Amino acid sequence: EAGVTQFPSHSVIEKGQTVTLRCDPISGHDNLYWYRRVMGKEIKFLLHFVKESKQDESGMPNNRFLAERTGGTYSTLKVQPAELEDSGVYFCASSPRADRGRIAQYFGPGTRLTVL
Amino acid sequence: DQQVKQNSPSLSVQEGRISILNCDYTNSMFDYFLWYKKYPAEGPTFLISISSIKDKNEDGRFTVFLNKSAKHLSLHIVPSQPGDSAVYFCAASAVETQGAQKLVFGQGTRLTINP
Repeated sequence: EAGVTQFPSHSVIEKGQTVTLRCDPISGHDNLYWYRRVMGKEIKFLLHFVKESKQDESGMPNNRFLAERTGGTYSTLKVQPAELEDSGVYFCASSPRADRGRIAQYFGPGTRLTVL
Repeated sequence: DQQVKQNSPSLSVQEGRISILNCDYTNSMFDYFLWYKKYPAEGPTFLISISSIKDKNEDGRFTVFLNKSAKHLSLHIVPSQPGDSAVYFCAASAVETQGAQKLVFGQGTRLTINP
C-alpha cells in the first residue's frame, strides 16, 4: 500500500511569490492533516480535513494560507503571498475514519519550503 | 504555551542497552499519546501509541508507559540498535468530535546509539 506522498519535496521562492504544496493521502483515508515545522522547533498543527470538509483550521497562521481538498482525495496548501517566516517543512498526514477508539496518523515525507 | 515537553534534546546510549525517552504534558484533556521516529529528510514514522485507559503498551522492542497522575510518559527501547538512532517525537491528542485528532508534539529528542 502506498504511503502519504507530497509534492514538491523542496521549493525555493522569493518573498511575495505564491507556492502550492500538494498532498496525496493513503487511499481510503478520510482524515487529512497539515502540519508545519519551523526552524527545528516542534511540529505544529495547521488544519484537518474530513473528506472534503474542513474539520478544524485553528492552526492556520493567517489568511495568506489556503487549503483545499476537492473531491475528498488529494489536498493542496497555497501560500500567497509568501513571507520569510513561512519557511519550514510542511508535513501532511492521513488516517482512516475511526468510529471507535483512537488511531494513529501516518505522515508524508514533507515539503521543505524556503522563502528568500 | 508548550503543552507537550521533551526536556532532553539529546540522548546517547550504548548498543544493546535500554534507551528511555521521556515526555511530560500539561493538558489533562489529552487521552491518547503517540511516539514517532524521524530520520533526516523524512516524515515522522508512527512507532507506538497508548490510550489513557492503559498504563503500558508493548510492541516488540518498544514499550510505552503512561503515568496519568504525573502527566508523564516514557518510551523504552530494549535492546537498542544502531538503526534506532533518530529523532523521537512524543505527541498527544484530546477527545474531540469523531475523527478529529489534532496532534500536539513535543520538541523531539535526538537518540544516538553508539556501537
